[in-house]
Amino acid sequence: GAGVSQSPRYKVTKRGQDVALRCDPISGHVSLYWYRQALGQGPEFLTYFNYEAQQDKSGLPNDRFSAERPEGSISTLTIQRTEQRDSAMYRCASSLGQGLDEQFFGPGTRLTVL
Amino acid sequence: LAKTTQPISMDSYEGQEVNITCSHNNIATNDYITWYQQFPSQGPRFIIQGYKTKVTNEVASLFIPADRKSSTLSLPRVSLSDTAVYYCLVQNSGAGSYQLTFGKGTKLSVIP
Repeated sequence: GAGVSQSPRYKVTKRGQDVALRCDPISGHVSLYWYRQALGQGPEFLTYFNYEAQQDKSGLPNDRFSAERPEGSISTLTIQRTEQRDSAMYRCASSLGQGLDEQFFGPGTRLTVL
Repeated sequence: LAKTTQPISMDSYEGQEVNITCSHNNIATNDYITWYQQFPSQGPRFIIQGYKTKVTNEVASLFIPADRKSSTLSLPRVSLSDTAVYYCLVQNSGAGSYQLTFGKGTKLSVIP
């Protein structure tokens, strides 16, 4: 596609439910990043993939958060047993290379946990 | 990574040149300076990146003095559509992970 896409764009769930957020990067982009953004703040790094390998997951808040990119393209961020504090905008970005290449961000998924 | 400090907000009239300065006193030899722009309800968008002296593209200029402890993003003749949050970031070229570390950014409001 022309850019990074994410789905769903909005997700409302009840506390305790699991959610899966999808990211479809720009075709051919090697690196994929997940960020979380609270209102009025800059995005906060969660995790990062090169191809299918998860290179860095130091930003994941706890073990309820996990991510995968099994074929080196589409990625899924899963949050188990959601809590109200998980409510935020979740953004995905991709870049062509593994270095300082610019990152292209998707529109985000707005997650609301009731 | 070097911490960055930039003004929380700025106002400017249409047609003026806007300069946003960012300080990064602890910048390392392998660090690059990158600026992103974020419009409301959108993801951040890359503007410009530099290592030293001056970099210019079709959108902005980036001025970096010799000591590299600060940098200035210059937006020529801003319009209402330049109203956005501007983030100054420092990226390490020698790191194994290239995640972006955002601060709160500078909220630029362009006034008619």
